[in-house]
Amino acid sequence: AQKVTQAQTEISVVEKEDVTLDCVYETRDTTYYLFWYKQPPSGELVFLIRRNSFDEQNEISGRYSWNFQKSTSSFNFTITASQVVDSAVYFCALSELTQGGSEKLVFGKGTKLTVNP
Amino acid sequence: NAGVTQTPKFRVLKTGQSMTLLCAQDMNHEYMYWYRQDPGMGLRLIHYSVGEGTTAKGEVPDGYNVSRLKKQNFLLGLESAAPSQTSVYFCASSYTTGSATYEQYFGPGTRLTVT
Repeated sequence: AQKVTQAQTEISVVEKEDVTLDCVYETRDTTYYLFWYKQPPSGELVFLIRRNSFDEQNEISGRYSWNFQKSTSSFNFTITASQVVDSAVYFCALSELTQGGSEKLVFGKGTKLTVNP
Repeated sequence: NAGVTQTPKFRVLKTGQSMTLLCAQDMNHEYMYWYRQDPGMGLRLIHYSVGEGTTAKGEVPDGYNVSRLKKQNFLLGLESAAPSQTSVYFCASSYTTGSATYEQYFGPGTRLTVT
């Protein structure tokens, strides 16, 4: 079965520091998808990125970047020059095909990031 | 375009009472999901649906039932609420092509307390 491990339960940084959130996954599928979501203190879940298993290029979006390495089954998320507004819980997720052919997501337990001014 | 909406936003139940949570989406998505979120546990899938009239069990289905009579609506029912069902419930929907997995769009959540 699919598994997603976010070993860092909580991280605290000072504004402008860079921070990396780790995500390690387990799957037997050859084709799969990885996701990151952000949950700010207001509680909603915000989609950040989707990456398929055949695309190992790193992705950058503003201060956010993602490093996908199939060799280590990791999909890490880095925030450069962190800001207080980045304070949130971040979830990594992995796609899972069911026996019926439908698709589900398996979520990690999340990493709570606190950025202090 | 409202996206995914959930009703109600908050609810307090007494043990043994029943209730239904309503999820609606206006994106014409085939797939819909119900999750619960508990401290330190992440998001756990309760039930999901791959189309109108179809439902399936997720990771933690016990104590819940669902129905998808219309494509845009996904209902989650608690027949006899228990304190262990105190949680925040999220509904989500996603697009599908049958050959790729797309991101799920989430509703704002329902905070349920069972006393």
